Amino acid sequence: GQNIDQPTEMTATEGAIVQINCTYQTSGFNGLFWYQQHAGEAPTFLSYNVLDGLEEKGRFSSFLSRSKGYSYLLLKELQMKDSASYLCAFMDSNYQLIWGAGTKLIIKP
Amino acid sequence: IAGITQAPTSQILAAGRRMTLRCTQDMRHNAMYWYRQDLGLGLRLIHYSNTAGTTGKGEVPDGYSVSRANTDDFPLTLASAVPSQTSVYFCASSGTDTDTQYFGPGTRLTVL
Repeated sequence: GQNIDQPTEMTATEGAIVQINCTYQTSGFNGLFWYQQHAGEAPTFLSYNVLDGLEEKGRFSSFLSRSKGYSYLLLKELQMKDSASYLCAFMDSNYQLIWGAGTKLIIKP
Repeated sequence: IAGITQAPTSQILAAGRRMTLRCTQDMRHNAMYWYRQDLGLGLRLIHYSNTAGTTGKGEVPDGYSVSRANTDDFPLTLASAVPSQTSVYFCASSGTDTDTQYFGPGTRLTVL
């Protein structure tokens, strides 16, 4: 079967660093996506990993280990506007996205 | 129009009524998708279309139908709404079925 898991909620302090983990199981894999979703808004694309390793994009980085079925999103220099839900999703062998339930990130001053 | 638009923004509907949620994109994307998002659950795919004229069923297609008469429009129809269809509905599109998906603003639907 297929499944994907990420923590329900995390809290961090403004200016700090936070790592949001995502684990998945699937027999067919075509990449791992991270999206940001502010309350009441649409998901917006953050990053895509298909090969093992770290992809850096400004304050956000995403890591993938295909052998471990594991990814994380790293957010540096946290700002209050980073308070949102972060959704991970893998693309399966049929090129459909299988989504985690999202991690709600709360940033405290 | 820029990107993807959805209409209506929100709707309250009596059970048993027919409802069509509209989705239009102006990016000339080939692939389009309908998802529902419920509290505590990940986005779930209802139906998709990889190109105009073709559609496919996702994870939760029962009670919903779609059509793709042209590249830009991908309406979702609830033939006879039930309370379990209360959800936030997102339309998305991508260049091809393997590309990054971009989402519309969503429709909040309540079925009473």
